[in-house]
Amino acid sequence: EDQVTQSPEALRLQEGESSSLNCSYTVSGLRGLFWYRQDPGKGPEFLFTLYSAGEEKEKERLKATLTKKESFLHITAPKPEDSATYLCAVRANTGFQKLVFGTGTRLLVSP
Amino acid sequence: DADVTQTPRNRITKTGKRIMLECSQTKGHDRMYWYRQDPGLGLRLIYYSFDVKDINKGEISDGYSVSRQAQAKFSLSLESAIPNQTALYFCATSDSTSAPEQYFGPGTRLTVT
Repeated sequence: EDQVTQSPEALRLQEGESSSLNCSYTVSGLRGLFWYRQDPGKGPEFLFTLYSAGEEKEKERLKATLTKKESFLHITAPKPEDSATYLCAVRANTGFQKLVFGTGTRLLVSP
Repeated sequence: DADVTQTPRNRITKTGKRIMLECSQTKGHDRMYWYRQDPGLGLRLIYYSFDVKDINKGEISDGYSVSRQAQAKFSLSLESAIPNQTALYFCATSDSTSAPEQYFGPGTRLTVT
C-alpha cells in the first residue's frame, strides 16, 4: 500500500533559523512527489514536483530534494510569513493520477 | 479571480439533510477531484472525474455522490448528512495533457450537527 509519513508533526523556528522537513514514502513506482503549502482555512498551494532521485527544486527560501525513499523540504533563513502547514504527496505508477498525502508538518516561525 | 472556486465556503446543517457543495474552475483543466480533510488524517479522495462522462469513486465515497455538469463544474452531494461528515472539503483540478500536479480550491467547511 502506498504510504507517506511526514516528520516532525510540528516545528517551531526562530526567524532566520534554517531547518528541514522530512517526507518518507513507500510507493509502487514513483510517478512524482509533490510539495504543497497550506495556510489555515485555505486550500493547499502547489510548490514543487520532483520525479527522480537526485532532483532538486528551489523557490525563494525553499528547496526540495528527493532520494529513493524520502524527500526533504529545506527552509533557509525562514521568515514569519513562511509559517504554514507543508504537505507532501506521492503519485504511484497505477495508471491514475491519485495522490496519496501525508498529514503534514505545521511550521511556526517566530520573529 | 480565483482559478478554482467553491461554494459555499462555510455550511452548518443538521443530520439527515441533503447538501450540495459546488466547484467551478477557469483553468481549462479536464480532471476534477473532491477531497475531504480531517485533523490527523490528511487529505482523502472522495470522487474524481477525468471528463464530463467519466466519474470514479475514490477511497471514501460511501455517503457521497457527485455530478460533473460541465468540464468546468463538479458538485459533491451528501444525500443524508451525518455528524462524521463534518470536515473541510476541497475541490481540485489537473490537466491530463501537461504536468500532473493538482490545484486546489479554497475549501468548504462543513459542520453536521
